[in-house]
Amino acid sequence: EVQLVESGGGLVKPGGSLRLSCAASGFTFSSSSMNWVRQAPGKGLEWVSSISGSSRYIYYADSVKGRFTISRDNAKNSLFLQMNRLGAEDTAVYYCGKEIGTGSYVDFWGQGTLVTVSS
Amino acid sequence: ETVMTQSPATLSVFPGERATLSCRASQTVRSDLAWYQQKPGQAPRLLIYDASTRATGIPARFSASGSGTEFTLTISSLQSEDFAVYHCQQYNNWPPKTFGQGTKVEIK
Repeated sequence: EVQLVESGGGLVKPGGSLRLSCAASGFTFSSSSMNWVRQAPGKGLEWVSSISGSSRYIYYADSVKGRFTISRDNAKNSLFLQMNRLGAEDTAVYYCGKEIGTGSYVDFWGQGTLVTVSS
Repeated sequence: ETVMTQSPATLSVFPGERATLSCRASQTVRSDLAWYQQKPGQAPRLLIYDASTRATGIPARFSASGSGTEFTLTISSLQSEDFAVYHCQQYNNWPPKTFGQGTKVEIK
């Protein structure tokens, strides 16, 4: 059974940093591209970042480029999102998602972790 | 960036009725389109990929069609568990992989 469990969310002050984690199980993690997608309160979904299985290919939304860093540890079946210089606009539930192939859709989502940026 | 526009924003439907949701892309995305269902407080769930293929375990009352810039998701006979928000996403012209703003299907 595929499982994705996010952690690391919480309350952070504007300008602060946070590191999200996603623990994966039930599939061959190292072969799967992974995504972070976020959803601000009461809003739609926003793709944040993608990383290929080997970490060779990494992509970011313009809204987070230069502030967020996606990474993975295939030995530990874990995905990460390092978020720096956080602003109120980054307040959202952050989901990790497993991708089919490369450059496609998310076929399985974690339950999400809430990040709140507020003073 | 490919902008995805969903309509209507809210759809009020009686249980048992048919619901038709639309998703339009600002430029062609070929058939690289997915639909997701999201219930309150839950993560999205994949319904449809490649514009018309149902994901594993998705009931046959969900069907989808379209290619290029115009896409449709149809729920043939709404069940109580189908009242949710539905999102479309393109994965042809990326980054970014853009989502529509969502259509809420509510009980009439």
